[in-house]
Formats: sequence, structure tokens, C-alpha cells
Amino acid sequence: GENVEQHPSTLSVQEGDSAVIKCTYSDSASNYFPWYKQELGKGPQLIIDIRSNVGEKKDQRIAVTLNKTAKHFSLHITETQPEDSAVYFCAAGQGAQKLVFGQGTRLTINP
Amino acid sequence: GAVVSQHPSRVICKSGTSVKIECRSLDFQATTMFWYRQFPKQSLMLMATSNEGSKATYEQGVEKDKFLINHASLTLSTLTVTSAHPEDSSFYICSARDTRRGETQYFGPGTRLLVL
Repeated sequence: GENVEQHPSTLSVQEGDSAVIKCTYSDSASNYFPWYKQELGKGPQLIIDIRSNVGEKKDQRIAVTLNKTAKHFSLHITETQPEDSAVYFCAAGQGAQKLVFGQGTRLTINP
Repeated sequence: GAVVSQHPSRVICKSGTSVKIECRSLDFQATTMFWYRQFPKQSLMLMATSNEGSKATYEQGVEKDKFLINHASLTLSTLTVTSAHPEDSSFYICSARDTRRGETQYFGPGTRLLVL
């Protein structure tokens, strides 16, 4: 089955700097890759997703890149702000099948 | 759009009792709902997948007789933790998806269960 590895487990950056979180997946059949942000005590919130027919997608300060050959995808957050502090999860899935989640990255933005 | 609610948000119960958690899709029809469990500082663990009108599919190691799932309508799924024990204390989160519109799962706010 699918296995998703996420790195780093914790990340601390200065406000205004960029943050990058990386994930690798094992199943080449996976074709859907969402990223979720989870604040303390709340459910995960979808922030961006990408499908395998696209190499990059951007939404304001957030971007995701996908390398199907290497089976890895990354989340990029630019001009970080204190409210970006949260736990971020990547996931991989195939069509309407279940998602497999990474271990999570605790991102801290230092003012 | 794509709002999912859960009720209750927190519940404390005595060991041996049963607890029911509701998951509702408020502004879309959820053909599929998922139930996850999350321990502190850990990732989401899928417990089961339920499709409207059919029996849930449980992940390996999840006891179907202990975690009863009902998905009776396109907007409501329930998870009942039967004969709860302290080790069942966790954060339970549901997600919902309209398979006819794509793969995106929308998560509820979660339910914190504490079994004394």
C-alpha cells in the first residue's frame, strides 16, 4: 500500500522568510496530493491540492510542486506570518480511494 | 461552501458507557465519509470509510463491533464508541467527500473524547 514520508517534523522560521515542507510517496498510482493545516484542537483544513497532471500550483503565498518521477511533492509558504504557525500534513491518494497522510510538520513562525 | 460539523465537540464519559459522535455535511451531499482518530502530536489514523447506505469498511486493527458506524443519509454519519475504556480517549475527526465532484475531503472540527 501507499506510504507517505514527511520532513521535517518541526520547522522554525523567522517571520517574513519562506518555509518548505517535503513529502515522498511510494505508490506511483497515486494521483492526488492535498495539503492540510491543523491548528491546535481543531480539524485539518485544506489549504491547497495538486493532481498528477500538473507540476506546480500556486495560491497567493502558498505553492505546491510535484515531481512524479521522483515521487515527491513539496509545500512552499512565502512571506510567512505568525498565523501560519500550525501543524501541516501532506497526503497522497488515488482517485476516490482513501488518503494516506504524512506524519505532520509543526511549523513555528518567530516574530 | 464544503462545511462539515461534528457534535459534540467534547465529551467526558465513564468507563463502560457508549458515546455517539455525529458528523454532518452542511452544504453538500457526502457520498463518502471517513472517520479518523488522532493521538496527541501524531498524524491522522483512518479508522473506517463509510458510503451512504452501505456498511462501513474498517481499517486493519479497528474493531467494527466496538466502533459502530452508520451512514444513513447523504449528510449524516455517526460513530458510536461502545463500552468505552480510558485507552479510547482520543481526538476523533470525520471528513466528508462528494465523490461525484472529486477527491477532496473536507474535515470536521473534531470531537475530544475523554473516558474516565
